[in-house]
Amino acid sequence: DAGVIQSPRHEVTEMGQEVTLRCKPISGHNSLFWYRQTMMRGLELLIYFNNNVPIDDSGMPEDRFSAKMPNASFSTLKIQPSEPRDSAVYFCASSLSKSGSLNNEQFFGPGTRLTVL
Amino acid sequence: SQQGEEDPQALSIQEGENATMNCSYKTSINNLQWYRQNSGRGLVHLILIRSNEREKHSGRLRVTLDTSKKSSSLLITASRAADTASYFCATGRYGNKLVFGAGTILRVKS
Repeated sequence: DAGVIQSPRHEVTEMGQEVTLRCKPISGHNSLFWYRQTMMRGLELLIYFNNNVPIDDSGMPEDRFSAKMPNASFSTLKIQPSEPRDSAVYFCASSLSKSGSLNNEQFFGPGTRLTVL
Repeated sequence: SQQGEEDPQALSIQEGENATMNCSYKTSINNLQWYRQNSGRGLVHLILIRSNEREKHSGRLRVTLDTSKKSSSLLITASRAADTASYFCATGRYGNKLVFGAGTILRVKS
């Protein structure tokens, strides 16, 4: 299995530009998570999906951030317009949620390092 | 605020020594998990301990959970230089959501 795939691995953009991060979860996994990691705030959950449906987006910082999961094998996180304070490493993770079990092991992608100038 | 808080923030030991990291949390949980993150990489799951378990082993890893004190510890025995990484505890309360602590940076000197 290829694991969770994220693209791009690095993104440098200018303030005000739109940024789209992409994630392909592990095949067969039905939960997908977007995290942001910074030195100041650590690892923060932005949003997660179960069976392609957004369940908890309380971590999305503001309306500039949006996430979609059009099918079980693809998700995007979009920032529009981007700001320098959005600079961080963004991780996608997936897990297999089994009936009757909660908070299963998560598999993380390699992350996208975003720099907004 | 973060659910899990690791202690110490940083730990430096010699190869062959044991490393112990602690995690405290604030509310009831379903399970607690430990993850490792090597520099520039994503997190890797190490071990999961359920709220009704007290101790769990996996290779050189030993995890304990004390729900009365709302704390957990991760012990790495006979450490190796390759164990150098950041270690995070994550608590699961409801749904599939995990809340991660700030992490402990472990450096193993060879």
